[in-house]
Amino acid sequence: AQSVAQPEDQVNVAEGNPLTVKCTYSVSGNPYLFWYVQYPNRGLQFLLKYITGDNLVKGSYGFEAEFNKSQTSFHLKKPSALVSDSALYFCAVRVHSGTYKYIFGTGTRLKVLA
Amino acid sequence: DAGVTQSPTHLIKTRGQQVTLRCSPKSGHDTVSWYQQALGQGPQFIFQYYEEEERQRGNFPDRFSGHQFPNYSSELNVNALLLGDSALYLCASRRQGASNQPQHFGDGTRLSIL
Repeated sequence: AQSVAQPEDQVNVAEGNPLTVKCTYSVSGNPYLFWYVQYPNRGLQFLLKYITGDNLVKGSYGFEAEFNKSQTSFHLKKPSALVSDSALYFCAVRVHSGTYKYIFGTGTRLKVLA
Repeated sequence: DAGVTQSPTHLIKTRGQQVTLRCSPKSGHDTVSWYQQALGQGPQFIFQYYEEEERQRGNFPDRFSGHQFPNYSSELNVNALLLGDSALYLCASRRQGASNQPQHFGDGTRLSIL
């Protein structure tokens, strides 16, 4: 079965420190991978995607993600966390079965402490 | 350029009632997907509409139905509401054929069942 796993329910990091939010996936074929962020009472905002090419993908708000095919991972990173980065982060994989649909992980709550 | 808009933002219903949620896709988008996000969970795919037809469906009962109009807007209908239907319902849109582009999400409708 195709799936996405986010092993950490919550990640705490001090402001200014680097952050990592983990994601692993299980899909057949080449994966299309995405990260979205959700602020309270809002929908999901797109951060970045991996389709093909360089394993390090840069996205919005200084975030980047590293695709690792051998480890089937797509971890989200940022060199220096801001308090305003505190939110819920979702990893997703796009699968194709006649048409495209997205499978989301259960989310990781990031808390950046001042 | 308006993004994805959903209405209403909040809704309270009782068990057994029926509800209709509405979505207008981002300008230029013609494909609409609906997701259910229960508290503390990631979004779960309900179904996708393109050219006024349901193209793919997730693991949801027939109580969940939808429609897409010629202007690409969409409705999600849920009949015989259950307590477990309480969730944030998200609409996402994209342009068919722009397969490398991410979906854009609305802010959702928060449905509470009493």
